[in-house]
Amino acid sequence: GIQVEQSPPDLILQEGANSTLRCNFSDSVNNLQWFHQNPWGQLINLFYIPSGTKQNGRLSATTVATERYSLLYISSSQTTDSGVYFCAVKPGGFKTIFGAGTRLFVKA
Amino acid sequence: DGGITQSPKYLFRKEGQNVTLSCEQNLNHDAMYWYRQDPGQGLRLIYYSQIVNDFQKGDIAEGYSVSREKKESFPLTVTSAQKNPTAFYLCASSLALVGGYEQFFGPGTRLTVL
Repeated sequence: GIQVEQSPPDLILQEGANSTLRCNFSDSVNNLQWFHQNPWGQLINLFYIPSGTKQNGRLSATTVATERYSLLYISSSQTTDSGVYFCAVKPGGFKTIFGAGTRLFVKA
Repeated sequence: DGGITQSPKYLFRKEGQNVTLSCEQNLNHDAMYWYRQDPGQGLRLIYYSQIVNDFQKGDIAEGYSVSREKKESFPLTVTSAQKNPTAFYLCASSLALVGGYEQFFGPGTRLTVL
């Protein structure tokens, strides 16, 4: 089946720094989402981005479907950005496959 | 205010007991899902439902059961056959099962077996 790899697995930033999270997938997909899991466990939808580029405030995402990767950019990081960031892909059919996540800690 | 609700937020169970986790959505979505998350891990699919009165096993269905009698509701029962049920359980929904539709998640239920 399709493999989803996220990097880095862990990231520590100073408040105000920028970062890039990466999601590689091993097969073509028709759906890709980025989620932020906050410290209380809630999964928050960040982007639905099977291809192209989107921006929402300090966050932006780019998916290059032909090269099978997606990037999540966080600019001017804040302590509230801490948590786990998941990439999830849908290769076709019904099943969504989640990566293992990137654990982000932003220091004040 | 549309969304997905799960209850209870925390649940404690004695060994040998069955417990039922509630999931309700008012998004008018056809598809619903149950995931399990263990500490420091990603999400694994337990069951999914495409439409009312239809549901299918996911990757880790053993020891779990579900029903889908109403479009809005997809309760999950953790049975005594589940060997290691302590985990965080997340319910999700999407407009349809097949195709490029965004999934939305509820706040989760933390189950602890005493």
